[in-house]
Amino acid sequence: GESVGLHLPTLSVQEGDNSIINCAYSNSASDYFIWYKQESGKGPQFIIDIRSNMDKRQGQRVTVLLNKTVKHLSLQIAATQPGDSAVYFCAEISGTYKYIFGTGTRLKVLA
Amino acid sequence: GAVVSQHPSWVICKSGTSVKIECRSLDFQATTMFWYRQFPKQSLMLMATSNEGSKATYEQGVEKDKFLINHASLTLSTLTVTSAHPEDSSFYICSAMRGTDYQETQYFGPGTRLLVL
Repeated sequence: GESVGLHLPTLSVQEGDNSIINCAYSNSASDYFIWYKQESGKGPQFIIDIRSNMDKRQGQRVTVLLNKTVKHLSLQIAATQPGDSAVYFCAEISGTYKYIFGTGTRLKVLA
Repeated sequence: GAVVSQHPSWVICKSGTSVKIECRSLDFQATTMFWYRQFPKQSLMLMATSNEGSKATYEQGVEKDKFLINHASLTLSTLTVTSAHPEDSSFYICSAMRGTDYQETQYFGPGTRLLVL
């Protein structure tokens, strides 16, 4: 996979509010998408995935929305908690091994 | 879940020594593993793709003699940083591919922080 981006946008959210993190992907042939969470000093953690034949998938407190028309992916976190503070990045996958990672968004949860 | 471990989590070594980092898939078998490097506040940079029983595929600009990769079993890949220098100091992360009925997904290890003095 490729990795891109040197800038990390930051999203600050009040504890208890909902968070929406966005990702624009580049390859219209990508058919599988994953959101990862990376806490400081740790490896990325799988959160949720979605295939291109779906436009919405829900997990526990998280929802991923896929808009193939505009090549946009979003991660919604309900009732954001301090433990949600991390960098979140998306991955678009075409074929089996072709991973392209997004730049990442830093989520800061304010008490 | 799919658990990937790395060992060690932290290593400090003198310049010129070699360091081996292990990546293990604990509850699944992984034909393919990946090794990444990450600098502070930057995204993952793929170094190489490790395939069980065959030679690793290195990304452009990554020295294969510098970063030796061995994938001897379906649950273990190792990265050896040979003759380490201070510029090799970084956060090294591995991932392992786990297949489902419809897709192969990368699961990441916790990372190994290397400091070369």
